[in-house]
Amino acid sequence: GESVGLHLPTLSVQEGDNSIINCAYSNSASDYFIWYKQESGKGPQFIIDIRSNMDKRQGQRVTVLLNKTVKHLSLQIAATQPGDSAVYFCAEKDGNYKLTFGKGTLLTVNP
Amino acid sequence: DTAVSQTPKYLVTQMGNDKSIKCEQNLGHDTMYWYKQDSKKFLKIMFSYNNKELIINETVPNRFSPKSPDKAHLNLHINSLELGDSAVYFCASSPPPSGNTIYFGEGSWLTVV
Repeated sequence: GESVGLHLPTLSVQEGDNSIINCAYSNSASDYFIWYKQESGKGPQFIIDIRSNMDKRQGQRVTVLLNKTVKHLSLQIAATQPGDSAVYFCAEKDGNYKLTFGKGTLLTVNP
Repeated sequence: DTAVSQTPKYLVTQMGNDKSIKCEQNLGHDTMYWYKQDSKKFLKIMFSYNNKELIINETVPNRFSPKSPDKAHLNLHINSLELGDSAVYFCASSPPPSGNTIYFGEGSWLTVV
């Protein structure tokens, strides 16, 4: 079936550096993408989303880039802070009710 | 004032037992979900209801039965629990249009011993 995967299962960065988390998706029909953050012991929390008619969207300290040609999604976090340490998931939707999640990347921010 | 709340947060039970996890959302959303997260953090959808109607039913053993008494509640009942059912179960909801941003509860940690 269709699936979403991540290039790096773990990412370790220094506080203040920028972080980039990557995601590859396989369903070319997907039209909506979301990044979630999951802290230890909590549920996934919405960070930012992007629709397939866009290639970039910015939030507060976060930017999502979408490259439909190579079916690639990335999340950039500026000036990474210790509070950003968590597992990050990308998810895709292809027009129905179901969001399909990727495997997750563990981001560790070192002080 | 929790948006999506589920109970219990932790549940330890023996194999063969029957247990339920309850979920309520106060966001006024029409669609609710159950997701299962395994030990490798992989999140997979189990069920989805829209206005109390089942719309997604993934390949889940029929020991798992969702029940939606109204659109603000989606409960998960599990019969004859097995060791492999140990996981974190997340309830979630989303507003129309269908399937857009999904908001998750805090999870229910189920351990079957």
